[in-house]
Amino acid sequence: EDKVVQSPLSLVVHEGDTVTLNCSYEVTNFRSLLWYKQEKKAPTFLFMLTSSGIEKKSGRLSSILDKKELFSILNITATQTGDSAVYLCAVEAVGWETSGSRLTFGEGTQLTVNP
Amino acid sequence: DTEVTQTPKHLVMGMTNKKSLKCEQHMGHRAMYWYKQKAKKPPELMFVYSYEKLSINESVPSRFSPECPNSSLLNLHLHALQPEDSALYLCASSRNRVNQPQHFGDGTRLSIL
Repeated sequence: EDKVVQSPLSLVVHEGDTVTLNCSYEVTNFRSLLWYKQEKKAPTFLFMLTSSGIEKKSGRLSSILDKKELFSILNITATQTGDSAVYLCAVEAVGWETSGSRLTFGEGTQLTVNP
Repeated sequence: DTEVTQTPKHLVMGMTNKKSLKCEQHMGHRAMYWYKQKAKKPPELMFVYSYEKLSINESVPSRFSPECPNSSLLNLHLHALQPEDSALYLCASSRNRVNQPQHFGDGTRLSIL
């Protein structure tokens, strides 16, 4: 059974801090790893990672994947109160190309950024 | 606002009622998904439609009945639900090719009395 573990489960920081969120996985036939941000409603897509060692960056957020050690990190620099959310990691396995994709989610990291 | 639109945003129903949740997208995605999310838990996959055909049913009870009338629309018909079915129901869509992320709607918050 595919498994995704995120840590920490909860994190409280002050504005301006840098945070690192972790995601480890055990997946048969790994295809990709995705990060989502969820506030009150829809999970919002952040990154999709398929190759080891290639950093994806969007503004203050960046993420990297290590396929040998089976983990990914999501970094947020100069945090703002608007970064407060649950950050979800999900993995996708090979084999679903013609029938949609099947994501296995981790429990999420609840990030709170205080002013 | 997301490009996947779900209606209604909130729904309260009794255990004997029949209601439907609706999801619509106009991004040309040919894979659509229903998820159930309980408070402080990640989304759990319920159903996947690929090219308007049901491709994955995660052993969901028959009181949930999905329908995909066309490539833009996905419905979830509800009948005789239980209080434990109260949750946020999320719809998502994606291109039906490799390495294409799923995009989620804002969800319908369902309460069963």
